[in-house]
Amino acid sequence: SQELEQSPQSLIVQEGKNLTINCTSSKTLYGLYWYKQKYGEGLIFLMMLQKGGEEKSHEKITAKLDEKKQQSSLHITASQPSHAGIYLCGADNNNDMRFGAGTRLTVKP
Amino acid sequence: GAVVSQHPSRVICKSGTSVKIECRSLDFQATTMFWYRQFPKQSLMLMATSNEGSKATYEQGVEKDKFLINHASLTLSTLTVTSAHPEDSSFYICSARGRAVNYGYTFGSGTRLTVV
Repeated sequence: SQELEQSPQSLIVQEGKNLTINCTSSKTLYGLYWYKQKYGEGLIFLMMLQKGGEEKSHEKITAKLDEKKQQSSLHITASQPSHAGIYLCGADNNNDMRFGAGTRLTVKP
Repeated sequence: GAVVSQHPSRVICKSGTSVKIECRSLDFQATTMFWYRQFPKQSLMLMATSNEGSKATYEQGVEKDKFLINHASLTLSTLTVTSAHPEDSSFYICSARGRAVNYGYTFGSGTRLTVV
């Protein structure tokens, strides 16, 4: 079955700093989703990537999918306290979606 | 856009009782629905996948007799936790996928179940 490895597990950054979260799949991805969550709450959809080499941006968040469609990165520029939360990558294998372990982001003011 | 409504958002029940969680697609037909469980400080784990009118497919380690899933219509799926125990306390979240490719996966807002 497909496995997703997400790193780092947790991240503490100073406000204003940039950061990157990685997601690596054991198989070629049909689609890769990024979500943000505060524990015990629903998922906030950030971005979906499908094509090899694709890159999307929304406000200060940029996500990329590599050419082989097995690795994605999420980059936050000039982080703010509002960026704090759990970031999850989800792999769409066209049958279902499975998630990485998540990255817990803390942004210190 | 596609919306999935999940109820209740929170429920507390006594050990040994059953609890039903509903997941409705409000503006699209959900051909497939997914149920996930999330324990504290852990990620979402897929429990089962259900296609409308068919029996659900359960992931390894998930007891189908304990977690009853019904997907009788294209807009409603239910998860019933039978004979709940404190270890079933968790955050349960559903997701729905429609016929149209651009709908992708739409998630409900989740249900926090506490078994006392």
